Amino acid sequence: DAGVTQSPTHLIKTRGQQVTLRCSPKSGHDTVSWYQQALGQGPQFIFQYYEEEERQRGNFPDRFSGHQFPNYSSELNVNALLLGDSALYLCASEGSTYEQYFGPGTRLTVT
Amino acid sequence: DQQVKQNSPSLSVQEGRISILNCDYTNSMFDYFLWYKKYPAEGPTFLISISSIKDKNEDGRFTVFLNKSAKHLSLHIVPSQPGDSAVYFCAAFAQGGSEKLVFGKGTKLTVNP
Repeated sequence: DAGVTQSPTHLIKTRGQQVTLRCSPKSGHDTVSWYQQALGQGPQFIFQYYEEEERQRGNFPDRFSGHQFPNYSSELNVNALLLGDSALYLCASEGSTYEQYFGPGTRLTVT
Repeated sequence: DQQVKQNSPSLSVQEGRISILNCDYTNSMFDYFLWYKKYPAEGPTFLISISSIKDKNEDGRFTVFLNKSAKHLSLHIVPSQPGDSAVYFCAAFAQGGSEKLVFGKGTKLTVNP
């Protein structure tokens, strides 16, 4: 049973560029959430997708957008990258319980 | 304004002894609490959870205690093993809240052989 998978593992981008991160949820899970984890901090909630719609959103600017596909996989898009966007981006999927299961993350470095 | 606080950045214990990790929260609307463990280069792994209607939940070596009046929860690991060395995150959420999970900053646990 595959867990949550994310791609790519690492990414280096230049300030002002755009980036797309991808996530496949755990088998049987239909809800995907995205988190940003800065160095030395806990993960911070960006948004959650369910039935291809954004269901909840944290305190992140509109530069952060997402999408969920019919197979429940999801993308996180960040436009006009800033140096402060450098972080570990985590995807988590959720089934019928409240527990969320995380992928290994994508390490984004903005130079 | 941090709603979930883990005031100890690090904790060191001897193998076989008890590890106690603490977490405080400020939002009285939180009704579900979770602990995650994170190894370097991996995503957080779900460990144990507790609903606000309970004050204790146990799973093997791991027990979580919740004191709602003090807005405090703790994770006990007995006995501690070197493989438990990781960063532990406390997380909370409120049904109907605007954020799914609110995390603390984590406590790095080191279990010495």
